[in-house]
Amino acid sequence: AQTVTQSQPEMSVQEAETVTLSCTYDTSENNYYLFWYKQPPSRQMILVIRQEAYKQQNATENRFSVNFQKAAKSFSLKISDSQLGDTAMYFCAFYSNYQLIWGAGTKLIIKP
Amino acid sequence: SQTIHQWPATLVQPVGSPLSLECTVEGTSNPNLYWYRQAAGRGLQLLFYSVGIGQISSEVPQNLSASRPQDRQFILSSKKLLLSDSGFYLCAWSAANYGYTFGSGTRLTVV
Repeated sequence: AQTVTQSQPEMSVQEAETVTLSCTYDTSENNYYLFWYKQPPSRQMILVIRQEAYKQQNATENRFSVNFQKAAKSFSLKISDSQLGDTAMYFCAFYSNYQLIWGAGTKLIIKP
Repeated sequence: SQTIHQWPATLVQPVGSPLSLECTVEGTSNPNLYWYRQAAGRGLQLLFYSVGIGQISSEVPQNLSASRPQDRQFILSSKKLLLSDSGFYLCAWSAANYGYTFGSGTRLTVV
């Protein structure tokens, strides 16, 4: 069975610092998609970044980038120059067979 | 552009009462539709998904049911709510592998 593991339940950093959220997954598939979602206190679920497993190049979206290590089944999210608005729950997810398989989430707190 | 509407935003219902949460999508056709539940401080649990009108797949046995009467309409229902049905419910749609777009959620409290 496919699983997604986020080993950091909670993290906090100072504003403007860089933070990395870890995510590992387990699958026997070769082609799949990985996502990071952000859920701020409003509880709206927002797509942060998307990675296609067949692409070696790491995805980037402004201050957000991933370190995708396919052999290690690792998909970490790096947030550069963190801002107060980045405070949220962050979920890693694996896409397979019409479904997203979710990690348990990491609560990220950005301190002023 | 595609949008997703989910309502109501909050709902307080007594035990044993029925439930109907509605989700509609605009700007796309034949989307995959999903209902998720999220307990406080927890991740998302997939309840139902649908790949077409009248096609519903259930992921967990429960007191809830789903229906898709139209291509862009997805309804979550219950005949008799239980206390354990309380939670935050999210509707989502996806087109192939381009990620999910979520509705704004419904906070359901069963009292």
